Amino acid sequence: SQTIHQWPATLVQPVGSPLSLECTVEGTSNPNLYWYRQAAGRGLQLLFYSVGIGQISSEVPQNLSASRPQDRQFILSSKKLLLSDSGFYLCAWTGKNIQYFGAGTRLSVL
Amino acid sequence: GQNIDQPTEMTATEGAIVQINCTYQTSGFNGLFWYQQHAGEAPTFLSYNVLDGLEEKGRFSSFLSRSKGYSYLLLKELQMKDSASYLCAAYSGAGSYQLTFGKGTKLSVIP
Repeated sequence: SQTIHQWPATLVQPVGSPLSLECTVEGTSNPNLYWYRQAAGRGLQLLFYSVGIGQISSEVPQNLSASRPQDRQFILSSKKLLLSDSGFYLCAWTGKNIQYFGAGTRLSVL
Repeated sequence: GQNIDQPTEMTATEGAIVQINCTYQTSGFNGLFWYQQHAGEAPTFLSYNVLDGLEEKGRFSSFLSRSKGYSYLLLKELQMKDSASYLCAAYSGAGSYQLTFGKGTKLSVIP
């Protein structure tokens, strides 16, 4: 069976610090992968998606970036965090047209 | 562009039936998803409608009318654990399988 791992679960970072969130999928090959952000009281916002290694599409211009160094690994990064980057970050993959989410990372930028 | 509308909040009584509506205006529509999200947790998949009609899964059912741009999620025999946000999402059908989510309906089940 397929599983998706996302870590860390919670993160508190100072403004201006770097960020690296990692997501891995097991039990499938060449999955579509996604990063979403959910700010308090708001809907899920698609940040990046990837259909293959090294292929990244950005949906929202911002100070975040994504990379897919391996088939089942998706990384969300920032060189300098802003206060507005606080939120709940979710990684997802698509299996048989259905998107399945990781447990999420709650990021607080102070 | 894509636009998904659903009520912000609803309250229902334990044991009752509740219907959560969702209207959408999208380009290239190819299906409608419903997800459940408990506070502080990730969304979990509930249902996926591609064709018009009703899909039933135990206590949960989902309906789609493509001509009206309308869907609803029906929850029967409500339980306290059903208190959660319910997210409606439209699937564009592009190769990337992108979903556009509504802001979610927060359902509170009261005794």
